[in-house]
Amino acid sequence: AQSVAQPEDQVNVAEGNPLTVKCTYSVSGNPYLFWYVQYPNRGLQFLLKYITGDNLVKGSYGFEAEFNKSQTSFHLKKPSALVSDSALYFCAVRDNQGGKLIFGQGTELSVKP
Amino acid sequence: DAGITQSPRHKVTETGTPVTLRCHQTENHRYMYWYRQDPGHGLRLIHYSYGVKDTDKGEVSDGYSVSRSKTEDFLLTLESATSSQTSVYFCAISVNGNTEAFFGQGTRLTVV
Repeated sequence: AQSVAQPEDQVNVAEGNPLTVKCTYSVSGNPYLFWYVQYPNRGLQFLLKYITGDNLVKGSYGFEAEFNKSQTSFHLKKPSALVSDSALYFCAVRDNQGGKLIFGQGTELSVKP
Repeated sequence: DAGITQSPRHKVTETGTPVTLRCHQTENHRYMYWYRQDPGHGLRLIHYSYGVKDTDKGEVSDGYSVSRSKTEDFLLTLESATSSQTSVYFCAISVNGNTEAFFGQGTRLTVV
């Protein structure tokens, strides 16, 4: 069965600094990987995905993520954080049989001025 | 948001009563999902559907049943609500089994 781990419950970053939100996964076969963001009292918004191809994936709002097969990781990154990036971030994985979309526990990102 | 409507948006119900939550989509997507979100647990998959009358269990399916008699509607039923089912429930849809999912706004359910 597939699973996702987000090892940090919270990440604190100063505005303008680079940010990284970590994600590792376990899945049989090739993974389909996703990042979502959730603002307070809202549903989840899709940020980016890795299906195949280039290991560096670019998404919405200046975010990118790096797929590393050997480390089974898919870390979310942004070169320069904004206060408005403060939110709850979720990593998710599907296996290549399709179907189930499994989420991690989420990481609370706090960006301070 | 991506043509997904959840109803009701808020509900308070008593322990032991049945409750049905509805997810309606206008996108004609094949896959539909029900998740619950609880502090410290992230999003946990309850059930999902890969077509009309085709459903499968997720991570936390005990106490829940689903039905999908039309492409556009996916119903989640709590057969006999318990306080542990107090949560925020999200519906999601995706075109197929390897694309991103789009989420509804959520239903806040309180079981007293």
